[in-house]
Amino acid sequence: AQTVTQSQPEMSVQEAETVTLSCTYDTSENNYYLFWYKQPPSRQMILVIRQEAYKQQNATENRFSVNFQKAAKSFSLKISDSQLGDTAMYFCAFMPIPKNTDKLIFGTGTRLQVFP
Amino acid sequence: EAGVAQSPRYKIIEKRQSVAFWCNPISGHATLYWYQQILGQGPKLLIQFQNNGVVDDSQLPKDRFSAERLKGVDSTLKIQPAKLEDSAVYLCASSFLRDPYNEQFFGPGTRLTVL
Repeated sequence: AQTVTQSQPEMSVQEAETVTLSCTYDTSENNYYLFWYKQPPSRQMILVIRQEAYKQQNATENRFSVNFQKAAKSFSLKISDSQLGDTAMYFCAFMPIPKNTDKLIFGTGTRLQVFP
Repeated sequence: EAGVAQSPRYKIIEKRQSVAFWCNPISGHATLYWYQQILGQGPKLLIQFQNNGVVDDSQLPKDRFSAERLKGVDSTLKIQPAKLEDSAVYLCASSFLRDPYNEQFFGPGTRLTVL
């Protein structure tokens, strides 16, 4: 079975500092996508960043970057220069390819609080 | 562009009652998903439609849950009869068929409380 584990239920960081959220996953697939989604208190889930497993280069989107370690099945999210608006639940998610469905398999989430 | 719309935003019912949720995906998105998000957990896929056909409903409790997407646009998810453990946020998402990543765009969700 494919599973995603987020071992940090809660994290906090001061504004302008850097924080790293951890994610590990378990799969026998060789090709897949990995995602980080953000869910603010309003509940609308928003895609933050994605990574293709066949690409060695780590994905970057402005202040957000990932550390993808395929052998270790690890996919951590680094948020630089944290802002108050980054306060949210962050979910790591996995999608196998080739795929019969586009089902996203989510972790249990990490609640991030950014303090002024 | 307009996002995924869902209604109602909140619903409180008693166990054994029925409830229905509605979703309107982003225009042009052929694929629609319903996820269940229980408090403290990540979302879990209940059912996926491509146009008006079901692609995956392997985790849908079919004895009490049903969903339809008759015209390949709007979708409804029904629970009949509801149980206490159905209390959750029900998220609808949609994606564009030709997007290789199948990026899913989520609605605001419907929070269901079963008493």
